[in-house]
Amino acid sequence: DADVTQTPRNRITKTGKRIMLECSQTKGHDRMYWYRQDPGLGLRLIYYSFDVKDINKGEISDGYSVSRQAQAKFSLSLESAIPNQTALYFCATSTAGRYEQYFGPGTRLTVT
Amino acid sequence: AQSVTQPDIHITVSEGASLELRCNYSYGATPYLFWYVQSPGQGLQLLLKYFSGDTLVQGIKGFEAEFKRSQSSFNLRKPSVHWSDAAEYFCAVALTGGGNKLTFGTGTQLKVEL
Repeated sequence: DADVTQTPRNRITKTGKRIMLECSQTKGHDRMYWYRQDPGLGLRLIYYSFDVKDINKGEISDGYSVSRQAQAKFSLSLESAIPNQTALYFCATSTAGRYEQYFGPGTRLTVT
Repeated sequence: AQSVTQPDIHITVSEGASLELRCNYSYGATPYLFWYVQSPGQGLQLLLKYFSGDTLVQGIKGFEAEFKRSQSSFNLRKPSVHWSDAAEYFCAVALTGGGNKLTFGTGTQLKVEL
């Protein structure tokens, strides 16, 4: 079984709809991250969380919100989706004192 | 702020040929450095990492990378490329004490010709 899972893997939604992307991990890591990937731009950090009560904005947090429901679960919400939020979204985890991150398989989101 | 540059957007090599993917970083101190690979439809997989010590690091799948402080570079190499190495490769940097946050380069797409 995969250590970091993301649901859904693909989603098409309409402008103005609320959508939630979910991430779960079995690695026992305390730190979790949400990135978006756009062609030619690499990965950009949206939000990150060091534990359930510690949530921080990344470089492109506008239009997004997150919830850390438990150490193993970190959700990303788009309150009112817009077409330029069409992207590939990745969840990642790491543990304190170690800098490498481990990624989920990604969610491809299309906003029409 | 730190930054990572991958100057080559696309690279094409023949199967069996050697490979070098370039990565340059901008940061005053020695950062932690990583290479990740993303196969089509997949997430990112860690190939190798450099924290300190020996400047030549070995990774998975026969890859290696060399940290050169004087050139602020961390280039990825493989002596003989296999068709299955076709993927996108990302270099990333983390600041010490920066809360585990990674800054990624824009990626290099590798095509392997048979």
